[in-house]
Amino acid sequence: QVQLQESGPGLVKPSETLSLTCSVSGDSISRSAYFWGWIRQPPGKGLEWIGSVSYSGLTYFKPSLKSRVAISMDTSKNQFSLEVTSVTAADTAVYFCARRDDSSSPFDYWGPGTLVTVSS
Amino acid sequence: DIQMTQSPSTLAASVGDRVTIACRASQSINKWLAWYQQKPGKAPKLLIFKASNLESGVPSRFSGSGSGTEFTLTISSLQPDDFATYYCQQYNSYSFGQGTKLEIK
Repeated sequence: QVQLQESGPGLVKPSETLSLTCSVSGDSISRSAYFWGWIRQPPGKGLEWIGSVSYSGLTYFKPSLKSRVAISMDTSKNQFSLEVTSVTAADTAVYFCARRDDSSSPFDYWGPGTLVTVSS
Repeated sequence: DIQMTQSPSTLAASVGDRVTIACRASQSINKWLAWYQQKPGKAPKLLIFKASNLESGVPSRFSGSGSGTEFTLTISSLQPDDFATYYCQQYNSYSFGQGTKLEIK
């Protein structure tokens, strides 16, 4: 059974960089065909896909966030990470990591989510 | 960007009711649509993929239909555990609908 767990600071100052890590257990993030993604949910609001990385390291992002977002993989630790630069209060949200088991599938496994608050 | 619009935003129903939630895409997405259920403080749970395929372990009272731009999620007989918020997601470019909150009448 695949398990995902988000980790990182719960509080980030405006204009700084938000950094989160998703640790994966029960499977390898570099297994062929897997895609790994980040989704966020502002308090009381809906879900927003941020971006994804493929098993081979190919990344793609929501166009409106592309200039501020990076996703990377650390296969030695079986983790993938999210960075969002120049954050504002609008980036306050619960951040989820999730898995897709191929390029034509939705997200089937999710982490429990972690709340990140942007505030001085 | 493909926009996803769900209706209604809120739905009040009783245990045993049959309910339907609609999701419309701003352009054709073939059958690349998923439905998720989310409860407060929890991650979304995948219910339906490729518009009409039931995810393993999901009760058969859930069903999905549609293709192109019009999709529906139906719960045939509401159970107490089904009161939650439901989201559609197209997985061409991964945008979500705004959600439908299913409340107890």
